[in-house]
Amino acid sequence: SQKIEQNSEALNIQEGKTATLTCNYTNYSPAYLQWYRQDPGRGPVFLLLIRENEKEKRKERLKVTFDTTLKQSLFHITASQPADSATYLCALINNDMRFGAGTRLTVKP
Amino acid sequence: GAVVSQHPSWVICKSGTSVKIECRSLDFQATTMFWYRQFPKQSLMLMATSNEGSKATYEQGVEKDKFLINHASLTLSTLTVTSAHPEDSSFYICSARGPSGGGNEQFFGPGTRLTVL
Repeated sequence: SQKIEQNSEALNIQEGKTATLTCNYTNYSPAYLQWYRQDPGRGPVFLLLIRENEKEKRKERLKVTFDTTLKQSLFHITASQPADSATYLCALINNDMRFGAGTRLTVKP
Repeated sequence: GAVVSQHPSWVICKSGTSVKIECRSLDFQATTMFWYRQFPKQSLMLMATSNEGSKATYEQGVEKDKFLINHASLTLSTLTVTSAHPEDSSFYICSARGPSGGGNEQFFGPGTRLTVL
C-alpha cells in the first residue's frame, strides 16, 4: 500500500541552525512533490513545488531536494528563526494529492 | 495571490443535526475543489474531489450520503455533514486548484472546526 512518512513527529532546533525535514514514500510515483506549512488551527500554506525531473529547488531560506531513486525529499530551512516554528507537510501529487502526517518544528531562541 | 475562504471557521452542533460548510475561491475560478478532514496530530485525509457542475468523486470509505458536496459555481463548493455525530468532530479543510500555470498548486482555506456534542 502507498505510504508517506515524515521523519519525526517533532523536531527541536536552536535559532540560526539549519532544520532538515525528511519525507519518504513507498509504492508511489509522484509527478510532483510539494511542501506546505501549517500553523495550529489553520489550513496549509504552499511553500515549494518540485517536479520529478528536478533535483533541487530553492526559495529564499528554503531548499528542497527530490531523489526519485531513494524515494525521498529533504526540506531545509537555513538560518532558522522562532517564526519558522510550525508543522511542515509534504504532499505527493500524481492523479491525486496525498499528504504526510507532518513534522512539528520548534525553533528555540 | 489566490485566496480561498471557508465559512464558518468553527461550529458546534448537537448530534443528529446537519451542518453546511462553504468554501469560496475569492479571486480566481476553481473548476476543481477538494475537501479534506484532519484529526489532531494526523495528516490531511482527502474526502472528495468536487468538480463544478458535476457530481463529486468520493474517496474510499467516505459516505457520499453523509457528506454531501455541491459545487454549484466556479467559486463556491459546499460540504454538508448530515446527521452529524460526535465521531464527525474534526477539522475540515477545502482547497482549490490554482489558476493555470500553477503546476498543480492547490490553495487551502483556513479550515472549519466542527464539534458535535
